[in-house]
Amino acid sequence: EVQLVESGGGLVQPGGSLRLSCAATGFAFSNSWMTWFRQPPGKGLDRVANIKHDGSEKYYLDSVKGRFTVSRDNTMNSLYLQLNSLRAEDTALYYCARGLTAAAFDIWGQGTMVTVSS
Amino acid sequence: QSALTQPPSASGSPGQSVTISCTGTSGDVGGYNYVSWYQQHPGKAPRLMIYEVSKRPSGVPNRFSGSKSGDTASLTVSGLQTEDEADYYCASYAGNNFDVFGTGTKVTVL
Repeated sequence: EVQLVESGGGLVQPGGSLRLSCAATGFAFSNSWMTWFRQPPGKGLDRVANIKHDGSEKYYLDSVKGRFTVSRDNTMNSLYLQLNSLRAEDTALYYCARGLTAAAFDIWGQGTMVTVSS
Repeated sequence: QSALTQPPSASGSPGQSVTISCTGTSGDVGGYNYVSWYQQHPGKAPRLMIYEVSKRPSGVPNRFSGSKSGDTASLTVSGLQTEDEADYYCASYAGNNFDVFGTGTKVTVL
C-alpha cells in the first residue's frame, strides 16, 4: 500500500525542539523529492521544506530558515524534520508529501500536530 | 511571496457546475504551466486533483478540469456531487524551487 505516516508531534514550550518523522511505504522513496507542509488550524497550506531524492538539495520557507532542518534516510525510507527554537506561530498540523512535479504533491500523510504553548 | 488569491466560497446545486479562480502574477501562475489544485475534506489530508494546469492524476473523476489564462487559473467541477463539498486550494510554481499556495475556497453543495 502506498502510504506516508507522520509521527513525533506534540505539545512543546516556546524555544523548545521536536523531531518529526515520516515513514514511506509502497513507492520508490529513494527516487522521490519529499516535502514537509504545515497547516495552522483553520488556515491554508504552507510548504515548509523540501529535499531532493539524494539529499543534495534542500529548500526552506523563509520563516523557518536556521531553525528547521529537513533530512532523509533512504535506507529506512524515512523523512525527518528537526524543529528548533519553536515559536507560537509554528503551531500547525504538519504533513509530509511526495513531489510529483513542480507544485504537485500526489501522496500525503495524515499529519502530525505540533502545538507550541507555555 | 504573496499567496494566490481565491474566492472564499463558491456553491452550486447537485448536477450543476462550479468554477473556482486562482489569481497570481507573471512570477507564478502566469509564468509557468505548473498549477495544481487540491481538495481537502475536514480533518483529512489534501488530495491532488489537477496538476500542470489541466492534468488529472489517476482516480480523479473527469468531472474535474483545470485551465489557465494569463495570471489566472481555474478549476471547474461539473456535475456537482455531495462529496465534492470541501475546501479547494490552488498552488503554483514560482521559480527558484518555490511554490505558492492559494488562500482556499470552500465549496458548498446546496
